[in-house]
Amino acid sequence: DIQMTQSPSTLSASVGDRVTITCRASQSVSSWLAWYQQKPGKAPNLLMYKASGLESGVPSRFSGSGSGTEFTLTISSLQPDDFATYYCQQYNNFPWTFGQGTKVEIK
Amino acid sequence: QITLKESGPTLVKPTQTLTLTCTFSGFSLSSSGAGVGWIRQPPGEALEWLALIYWDDDKRYSPSLKSRLTITKDTSKNQVVLIMTDVDPVDTATYFCAHVRRTSPRYFFDYWGQGTLVTVSS
Repeated sequence: DIQMTQSPSTLSASVGDRVTITCRASQSVSSWLAWYQQKPGKAPNLLMYKASGLESGVPSRFSGSGSGTEFTLTISSLQPDDFATYYCQQYNNFPWTFGQGTKVEIK
Repeated sequence: QITLKESGPTLVKPTQTLTLTCTFSGFSLSSSGAGVGWIRQPPGEALEWLALIYWDDDKRYSPSLKSRLTITKDTSKNQVVLIMTDVDPVDTATYFCAHVRRTSPRYFFDYWGQGTLVTVSS
């Protein structure tokens, strides 16, 4: 199985901050990586696909980059609605695997 | 508009069989490229992919759970069913179903159901 490792596990930030979350794969997944945002008690919400493809309706302050084994999700200016947990997921190989999550907290 | 909703028991006893149903709308699982998957999330933990079924009845399972899982589809009812045998308290989780979008040659989850919490306890 491909292991997905996110860092940091928890991130404390303020409104307006630029935030970057890293996701590393144990082997190459090419660009077949998605990012999801999840709020407590809710289903994950798709933010990015194919590493850098912004899902329709997702604010442009979200961006993704990377390929192979290292990926980043960046929020250019953190908004109150962005405090949540973020997951990366590879879909290059079965079994599809998720990172352990990064919780973005209010500083 | 694609929507999915999970249904099933909220409480199951250890060693019993869990049957979950995903009822969806906004797409047909008989259309080329369509697919539905299941994912679970134990309380306070990360997401875990379980299984996936495609329009052509191709099925994929998590290797760690493959011996206990069966995924099927009923295109006439717009439903996908996940069966998990011999449940254990560690199977306590919120179970989600999700639609897959095709961006050839790969698929990924785009729309998710709200999830259903299943507790395994005697």
